[in-house]
Amino acid sequence: EVQLVESGGGLVQPGGSLRLSCAASGLTVSSNYMSWVRQAPGKGLECVSILYSGTSTYYADSVKGRFTISRDNSKNTLSLQMSNLRPEDTAVYYCTRTPDFYSYYMDVWGKGTTVTVAS
Amino acid sequence: QSVLTQPASVSGSPGQSITISCTGTSSDIGRYDYVSWYQHYPGTAPKLIIYEVSYRPSGVFNRFSGSKSDNTASLTISGLQAEDEADYYCSSYTNYRTWVFGGGTKLTVL
Repeated sequence: EVQLVESGGGLVQPGGSLRLSCAASGLTVSSNYMSWVRQAPGKGLECVSILYSGTSTYYADSVKGRFTISRDNSKNTLSLQMSNLRPEDTAVYYCTRTPDFYSYYMDVWGKGTTVTVAS
Repeated sequence: QSVLTQPASVSGSPGQSITISCTGTSSDIGRYDYVSWYQHYPGTAPKLIIYEVSYRPSGVFNRFSGSKSDNTASLTISGLQAEDEADYYCSSYTNYRTWVFGGGTKLTVL
């Protein structure tokens, strides 16, 4: 079964850090565009970071300089290192993938992990 | 405020058809045929139901269909069923090499 499972969410104070992980099964994280999409309470979806082929990356302006996306091919996992967290980063974070490097839609999503930034 | 504009809510009775619109710009929906739609039940993983404007993944009922005209995409659900009650999000690839999403539409089956 093709599956993405996120972990690492939790409650953190403003200015703190968290590392989200996404474990992949039935698929290989190195063969697709992998991304993190978040949904703040009562809001729509926002693509915050993308890992293209190789090491090319994208970050939304709202997280640039604070978040770092990476993948570990040996463990088949995707990570999102988040630092200097702000209350507006509070959201459910989803790990997603595209079917391949030539498709521009997200065919597999995890169930999400919740990040709450509050004092 | 989301980049793509969707109605906050739509409703319909069982058996009826509904259409959800999704309006973008010439940098996203108007530029590429890379519009996708997702069905989301709160607390679960969003599910892809339409990709590349009008294609359905295997296993998605043909009651779901998509289309696009200029900067606006549409999702139509025909023969509404109670299980279709969910949130629906549109998305488009953009010329900035990222994806943008709509704010989501809550479908209520009366």
